[in-house]
Amino acid sequence: ETGVTQTPRHLVMGMTNKKSLKCEQHLGHNAMYWYKQSAKKPLELMFVYNFKEQTENNSVPSRFSPECPNSSHLFLHLHTLQPEDSALYLCASSQGQGEETQYFGPGTRLLVL
Amino acid sequence: SQKIEQNSEALNIQEGKTATLTCNYTNYSPAYLQWYRQDPGRGPVFLLLIRENEKEKRKERLKVTFDTTLKQSLFHITASQPADSATYLCALGNTGTASKLTFGTGTRLQVTL
Repeated sequence: ETGVTQTPRHLVMGMTNKKSLKCEQHLGHNAMYWYKQSAKKPLELMFVYNFKEQTENNSVPSRFSPECPNSSHLFLHLHTLQPEDSALYLCASSQGQGEETQYFGPGTRLLVL
Repeated sequence: SQKIEQNSEALNIQEGKTATLTCNYTNYSPAYLQWYRQDPGRGPVFLLLIRENEKEKRKERLKVTFDTTLKQSLFHITASQPADSATYLCALGNTGTASKLTFGTGTRLQVTL
């Protein structure tokens, strides 16, 4: 266990559905991240939050909407997704002070039909 | 644009041998480089960090080298075991208020008896 949990672990949704991914970290970290991992591609950084403030939005389509109510919780709200959005979505956390290790959750495997 | 290359072909080696994985990068001047291990269906797990002013780092059976002139890092696992079979990711980062890592696609290592 890395101290970062994600729910659900698997999700199947239609293109018209609205769903949310949840991430929680129990490490006392201040920074949280969303990544997308597709087959044969490197991890793509989507969003970064540091002390609850969004510090990075890596040109992510608006159908992905992050929310960070506090330093321990991070959500990714999904709506009107496309089949090409099917991937493993990983959440990570870190201290939030420069050079440091990121701790990853197990990911949510998303399938968009 | 920044590019990180890891051998996309799987590396197959025999138990007991040394596995060497390569990470090459272009158009990047990282302050540090990290190596992660990822097992199927799981998030990456941090292994080692090496800074730009360090040539080599060791941890148990793992050794990482970092050559900023060649823009290359080598990751070695000595006395490899079947349990070392996984995908290994390199990630480059720069200091800042929250670490922003750029990942390679990873190299899959298979250690056979």
